[in-house]
Amino acid sequence: DVKVTQSSRYLVKRTGEKVFLECVQDMDHENMFWYRQDPGLGLRLIYFSYDVKMKEKGDIPEGYSVSREKKERFSLILESASTNQTSMYLCASSPYRPLPKQETQYFGPGTRLLVL
Amino acid sequence: DQQVKQNSPSLSVQEGRISILNCDYTNSMFDYFLWYKKYPAEGPTFLISISSIKDKNEDGRFTVFLNKSAKHLSLHIVPSQPGDSAVYFCAASQITGNQFYFGTGTSLTVIP
Repeated sequence: DVKVTQSSRYLVKRTGEKVFLECVQDMDHENMFWYRQDPGLGLRLIYFSYDVKMKEKGDIPEGYSVSREKKERFSLILESASTNQTSMYLCASSPYRPLPKQETQYFGPGTRLLVL
Repeated sequence: DQQVKQNSPSLSVQEGRISILNCDYTNSMFDYFLWYKKYPAEGPTFLISISSIKDKNEDGRFTVFLNKSAKHLSLHIVPSQPGDSAVYFCAASQITGNQFYFGTGTSLTVIP
């Protein structure tokens, strides 16, 4: 069974703080993703990575950075947290494509971040 | 620009009846489509998928229909159960691609 874990389920931070969200997957997947989920906006891609030390910007990368030093771990960093970054953050992983069979993304449980 | 759209933010259905969730996409290069289910405070879980070589895929109570010419897919749940109450996201990708594009979600409530 694929497991994607996120370091915190709930987090409360102050404006201006540096915030680290950690994600670990145990299926040796090449691809890892960070999304945020907001009401009415669905899942929006922040960053993704298809290999160690590789990263690609998603749709809303502003105010965020990422780090992928090991294959199983993908970190999302909020350099200076702001109130508009209050959201549910979801990490996902998937095998690199193309593959002989279709694959899906596997999600972690999410981190609900509140920035005061 | 939103490439995958779910125009109904919410849907209420009586238990035992059919739930139909709809999804439209704009990118004709998409050839692989998925539905995810999400409960509050949990990550989305994969429900069912379909590739563009098919127009229907069935898994128990869940059936996904794909109309490529209309760039439209739908998820049918029959019969609907209270435990199906959740937010449903459709997603699309290219089979050879590594990125998934998600819709905004439809919140389904199944009334006992």
